[in-house]
Amino acid sequence: DVKVTQSSRYLVKRTGEKVFLECVQDMDHENMFWYRQDPGLGLRLIYFSYDVKMKEKGDIPEGYSVSREKKERFSLILESASTNQTSMYLCASSFRLNTEAFFGQGTRLTVV
Amino acid sequence: QKEVEQNSGPLSVPEGAIASLNCTYSDRGSQSFFWYRQYSGKSPELIMSIYSNGDKEDGRFTAQLNKASQYVSLLIRDSQPSDSATYLCAVPSGGSYIPTFGRGTSLIVHP
Repeated sequence: DVKVTQSSRYLVKRTGEKVFLECVQDMDHENMFWYRQDPGLGLRLIYFSYDVKMKEKGDIPEGYSVSREKKERFSLILESASTNQTSMYLCASSFRLNTEAFFGQGTRLTVV
Repeated sequence: QKEVEQNSGPLSVPEGAIASLNCTYSDRGSQSFFWYRQYSGKSPELIMSIYSNGDKEDGRFTAQLNKASQYVSLLIRDSQPSDSATYLCAVPSGGSYIPTFGRGTSLIVHP
């Protein structure tokens, strides 16, 4: 079975802090994604990566950056957390684009 | 603009009935289609994939695809209270075929 693991289930951070969300997959998948999910807005793509050190902006990249130094790990960075970044963050991976994506358990981030 | 549309619901059905969930998409070039189930507070879980026009059955679930009309649907037979969840339609779209999700349909199965 594919396993996608996110480093934290719940996080509480203060406004202005730098926040790191980590995601690891164990199936040698090429592609990894970061989404955020908010009530009424669905899943929105923040960034994705199709190879090591390669990244592409999604629909809502402002205020975020990413890092993919190893194939299995994809990190989302909030440079200076703000209250409007309070959300559920979901990491996913897929073998190829156009194939099914598998999700981690999600990180519920609260910025106070 | 790649779009995936779903009725937000809630769709309420009695236990044992058939639940029908629908999804339309805008990108005519899309080639694969997925249904996910998401329980409250949990992450999405893949339940069905479909690639060709027609029906695909897996247990109590049937996915239906009509590329000409650009819609994909999910039927759940013999609905159970444990099927109560939000169902997300995902369609890899655009030149990069990134998974694009609908906002989901909330399904409530009442005893």
